[in-house]
Amino acid sequence: EIVLTQSPATLSLSPGERATLSCRASQSVRRSIAWYQQKPGLAPRLLIYDASNRATDIPARFSGSGSGTDFTLTISSLEPEDFAVYYCQQRSNWPPLTFGGGTRVEI
Amino acid sequence: QVQLVESGGGVVQPGRSLRLSCSASGFAFSDYSLHWVRQAPGKGLEWVAVISYDGSNKYYAASVEGRFTISRDNSRNTLFLQMNSLRLEDTAVYYCARDRVKWFGESAGAFGHWGQGTLLTVSS
Repeated sequence: EIVLTQSPATLSLSPGERATLSCRASQSVRRSIAWYQQKPGLAPRLLIYDASNRATDIPARFSGSGSGTDFTLTISSLEPEDFAVYYCQQRSNWPPLTFGGGTRVEI
Repeated sequence: QVQLVESGGGVVQPGRSLRLSCSASGFAFSDYSLHWVRQAPGKGLEWVAVISYDGSNKYYAASVEGRFTISRDNSRNTLFLQMNSLRLEDTAVYYCARDRVKWFGESAGAFGHWGQGTLLTVSS
């Protein structure tokens, strides 16, 4: 099973600042990483698939990069609605599909 | 627009059974693989099971293998999760999720759309 480790666990930033979230895989997942945003009480929402492709209707301030074992989600300038929990997920070698433990982006 | 609506959650005693349903609309149901993903209270996301678009392939997380069964009725646009021998650790919000891509090929395995979730509480 591929283990995904996200860091940091919590990121404390202000609106307008840049957020950089990390996801590291226990073995190469090529570029088969997705990122999701989850707000309290709501279902997750797909942001990025295949490491760097924005999903439909996702703003350009969200970008993804990386390959192999190291991946990054960047939010270029935080908007108030971006404060949430972010999860990475791999689909390179499955089943099982696996998620990282999440990074909380807080004000 | 794509809609996924889960139902069937509730409070159940350990060892008992329950069936969750997910009613879908807004897309060609029989073209997409579907997943169940769960989230224990205050915890992260855990993939539970997947069924291919035609029901011919089913895979499970080790934690539910042999106890849970995923199925679908393409004539009713409905996904199911039969859960037997429930344990305390199965307590979670269960989400139905549609794969991002059609069919069940190499690009499958990301969750393009999610339902709102249904809460299962296993408690004595």
